[in-house]
Amino acid sequence: NAGVTQTPKFQVLKTGQSMTLQCAQDMNHNSMYWYRQDPGMGLRLIYYSASEGTTDKGEVPNGYNVSRLNKREFSLRLESAAPSQTSVYFCASSRYVDGYTFGSGTRLTVV
Amino acid sequence: GESVGLHLPTLSVQEGDNSIINCAYSNSASDYFIWYKQESGKGPQFIIDIRSNMDKRQGQRVTVLLNKTVKHLSLQIAATQPGDSAVYFCADRLNNAGNMLTFGGGTRLMVKP
Repeated sequence: NAGVTQTPKFQVLKTGQSMTLQCAQDMNHNSMYWYRQDPGMGLRLIYYSASEGTTDKGEVPNGYNVSRLNKREFSLRLESAAPSQTSVYFCASSRYVDGYTFGSGTRLTVV
Repeated sequence: GESVGLHLPTLSVQEGDNSIINCAYSNSASDYFIWYKQESGKGPQFIIDIRSNMDKRQGQRVTVLLNKTVKHLSLQIAATQPGDSAVYFCADRLNNAGNMLTFGGGTRLMVKP
């Protein structure tokens, strides 16, 4: 089925470790996004990529980096994980504003 | 441990009743609004949207109402079913903000059989 695929689904990291969350979409969407979801706080935008070759900071970019590898793939990297980054991470893509498609999420725990 | 949505406002309704979920937005320059449904362990899914030049829009069993005077958005679900149990988010877009949405904090809907 067409959609947004995120890997891994679950991850436990030790403080200071690094990791990359992968996201790929097969809908030929131009825009891709990374959100984090914390209890009671809804979705907060970390970074987005309006089109291939561009990336911009969202509401909570500190501690993260992104790479728009090609039109399909948009990765999120934690260089030195901190307990405050324990969250559920969602990748999304869209062609237009009403066409957001979300992945199933990555549940990250930093101990 | 805690799960996502543990501290969200909760609306509990009886199966078959109508549900109304409310959302307030802060920016009068918002021109587009969406409601998403998020079931446990899944990503948000699109339910219905409305543009700022409209007051009401209806879908299958769902209606969105927009009151721009008080910057209020509501989602009405008719004949609520157990499968409607989920967290519901509203989101808005500032005028000319391209594809960028800002999400609200969400409301958990629990349907009692």
